[in-house]
Amino acid sequence: NAGVTQTPKFQVLKTGQSMTLQCAQDMNHEYMSWYRQDPGMGLRLIHYSVGAGITDQGEVPNGYNVSRSTTEDFPLRLLSAAPSQTSVYFCASSNRVTGELFFGEGSRLTVL
Amino acid sequence: AQTVTQSQPEMSVQEAETVTLSCTYDTSENNYYLFWYKQPPSRQMILVIRQEAYKQQNATENRFSVNFQKAAKSFSLKISDSQLGDTAMYFCAFMSDRDDKIIFGKGTRLHILP
Repeated sequence: NAGVTQTPKFQVLKTGQSMTLQCAQDMNHEYMSWYRQDPGMGLRLIHYSVGAGITDQGEVPNGYNVSRSTTEDFPLRLLSAAPSQTSVYFCASSNRVTGELFFGEGSRLTVL
Repeated sequence: AQTVTQSQPEMSVQEAETVTLSCTYDTSENNYYLFWYKQPPSRQMILVIRQEAYKQQNATENRFSVNFQKAAKSFSLKISDSQLGDTAMYFCAFMSDRDDKIIFGKGTRLHILP
């Protein structure tokens, strides 16, 4: 079982560049979310979705866009990368019944 | 807005000892879910234990148990007979039953010493 798949695992960007972090899950989960993890800050919720066509902002949404056109995919877009967006990003999904989150392996992003 | 607070950034205990990690949260909701996740050095997030707010009985999973105090909005994790493999970051998480949003505390880094 693939579970939650994130790509790329590592990325280096220059300030102002754009990129998309891809996330796909094969568990038919309705709920998907993106978090960023920074030292001393824990995991902070960026955006989340409770189903195809529905997205909502989390705790730190500025500078990030998401869309949910299918149940399986939930890409995270950085339109103009800034050094403050240097972080490890996690995608996660849940079946909303138990609430248990299934995480991807994380993507380490460095913005120079 | 809901918040989750973990007041212990870092802890160390000897192998085989019992350790308790603290978590408090703030919400105006009556129905919600609480979780503890473990993140070992591999960075992979692993669910340790889950508690439903409407259940008064504290959840238990082998050596892991919680002390859920709903009125005090407290959700501590007790690890009994700690093992070297328990060394990890531990995150407390809150899930709203209203909008399914799941938020995390800042984490506690736990070191189990041989």
